Amino acid sequence: GAGVSQTPSNKVTEKGKYVELRCDPISGHTALYWYRQSLGQGPEFLIYFQGTGAADDSGLPNDRFFAVRPEGSVSTLKIQRTERGDSAVYLCASSLTSGGGGEQFFGPGTRLTVL
Amino acid sequence: AQSVTQLDSQVPVFEEAPVELRCNYSSSVSVYLFWYVQYPNQGLQLLLKYLSGSTLVKGINGFEAEFNKSQTSFHLRKPSVHISDTAEYFCAVSRGGTSYGKLTFGQGTILTVHP
Repeated sequence: GAGVSQTPSNKVTEKGKYVELRCDPISGHTALYWYRQSLGQGPEFLIYFQGTGAADDSGLPNDRFFAVRPEGSVSTLKIQRTERGDSAVYLCASSLTSGGGGEQFFGPGTRLTVL
Repeated sequence: AQSVTQLDSQVPVFEEAPVELRCNYSSSVSVYLFWYVQYPNQGLQLLLKYLSGSTLVKGINGFEAEFNKSQTSFHLRKPSVHISDTAEYFCAVSRGGTSYGKLTFGQGTILTVHP
């Protein structure tokens, strides 16, 4: 079956612009996670959705970052007034169960470059 | 909070040689432990995980890892590597017994297998 997909695969934008990054999880997966991976680093947690609600957004760096999952499937990560420091690969993962030991399936990521 | 340290940023080895990628974690509570692999231009893929029980865990592609609670380590091993094992490997932890699997990753280890 289809895995987690993310669009676009690459996004180049100018400082100050608004961007949206989309994640399509595996069908039936109720848990969805966003991570950010800066160059040379491991992924860092941003936000977790269980169904439609954001159950943990403690990793969002500031209020320029926001994410939604209105129907409990597709999720969109929104970044306002982008800064050069936002440049990174944004990863989405989904999991069949919300349990802590469940396998997370990762998408290929969106590489965001802020000029 | 949990943290993960991968002790080697790069590990070069020759084909058919054994390899060990080191991972240490810090946590005041019980944890679940994971190893993920990231091949070039692909998403993260789960290699293996430790949730409970036997401390020796076997995963895909001939990899195994041993959980050592006293040394807070979860080193990844393979007795004989192939060229196709060239990739970046990430150790990760999540809080044990929780209702969701927010992952904390290490910085990654780039394994390069030479012919």
